[in-house]
Amino acid sequence: DGGITQSPKYLFRKEGQNVTLSCEQNLNHDAMYWYRQDPGQGLRLIYYSQIVNDFQKGDIAEGYSVSREKKESFPLTVTSAQKNPTAFYLCASSLGRDQPQHFGDGTRLSIL
Amino acid sequence: KQEVTQIPAALSVPEGENLVLNCSFTDSAIYNLQWFRQDPGKGLTSLLLIQSSQREQTSGRLNASLDKSSGRSTLYIAASQPGDSATYLCAVSDTNAGKSTFGDGTTLTVKP
Repeated sequence: DGGITQSPKYLFRKEGQNVTLSCEQNLNHDAMYWYRQDPGQGLRLIYYSQIVNDFQKGDIAEGYSVSREKKESFPLTVTSAQKNPTAFYLCASSLGRDQPQHFGDGTRLSIL
Repeated sequence: KQEVTQIPAALSVPEGENLVLNCSFTDSAIYNLQWFRQDPGKGLTSLLLIQSSQREQTSGRLNASLDKSSGRSTLYIAASQPGDSATYLCAVSDTNAGKSTFGDGTTLTVKP
């Protein structure tokens, strides 16, 4: 079945450590997105990519980095510069701007 | 900057009741509007996508309307069931590169 796979499901970060969240899709979608969700709130856009080797900052990109070397993969790195990284991270993809976004099951990141 | 508001934040209804969820946005220059469902600890499931040129979309017991000029959308759920209990989020996509802004969601509880 086609879909979006996020791993790991749970992740713990130590102070000063960078961690990378994986997002892989086999839907042949061009666009991919990373969102952050805090308790009781909606989603905020971190980064998005419309095509391979190109990506743009969203509303809260500080302390995060991404790469888009392959169409099916869009990993997110949470750097030590992100001082409040505890949140639920969601990856999404879509065929294009006028198509629905499809989401993975998320990664929950916590601080040790 | 686009702002999306969903009222009420929480709603509890008896099974079988028809209900309406509201979504308002501040900038009417949108590309499309999407309604999602989120179960606890899970990713988002797309319910309906309305393009800016459309007035409504229907899927089964769900009907979503869009009034761009007034900056409003509604999600109508007919004959509610306990399985409809979830958080419902709306998201508007801007006219540029497909950036989406989400509301904080309405948490629906349908009592048997």
